[in-house]
Amino acid sequence: QVQLQQSGPGLVKPSATLSLTCAISGDSVSNYPVTWNWIRQSPSRGLEWLGRAYYRSKWYIDYAVSVKGRITINPDTSRNQFSLQLNSVTPQDTAIYYCARDPRGGDDSFDIWGQGTMVTVSS
Amino acid sequence: DIQMTQSPSSLSASVGDRVTITCQASQDIGNHLNWYQQKPGKAPKLLVYAASNLETGVPSRFSGSGSETYFTFTIASLQPEDIATYYCQQFENLPFTFGQGTKLEIK
Repeated sequence: QVQLQQSGPGLVKPSATLSLTCAISGDSVSNYPVTWNWIRQSPSRGLEWLGRAYYRSKWYIDYAVSVKGRITINPDTSRNQFSLQLNSVTPQDTAIYYCARDPRGGDDSFDIWGQGTMVTVSS
Repeated sequence: DIQMTQSPSSLSASVGDRVTITCQASQDIGNHLNWYQQKPGKAPKLLVYAASNLETGVPSRFSGSGSETYFTFTIASLQPEDIATYYCQQFENLPFTFGQGTKLEIK
């Protein structure tokens, strides 16, 4: 049974870096054809896909243009997890952040989700 | 980005009713559409992928159809446990984008 366990702080100061980790059990971060995604949800922006990482003989990372330049997704094969870093956060980055698995790689559907982390950007 | 517009934004129906939600894409996305159910305080749950394929373990009263720019999601006979918000999501192009959601309530 695949599970995703998120960890990271729920409160981040403006202009600081948001850092979250998603630990994978029951699957491998480098498994084919799986992709590993970060998605956030807020009342103002709804569900917003942020980016993904996947392994196809080498690592590929895709980011949403809306956060490009501020976001880093980093897969960690030794710990079987992947992480999200979002720099220079503002109150508009306040949201519930989810990690999610796409098992098939071709239909980009998210079948397993982490429990969600409510992140508040505030001083 | 591809814009996804769901209709209606909210819906009230009785147990046993047939319920239909629509999702329109701002451009042709073929069958590159998924549907999710989200209950309060929980992560979304995948119900239908690639427009019409039921995810394993999802009850057969749920179904999806459509192509190009117009898609429908149907609950054949509404059950009390179906009370949730439903979202469509396109995967034709990056960034993947979601509809704004349809909140389903029991009448």
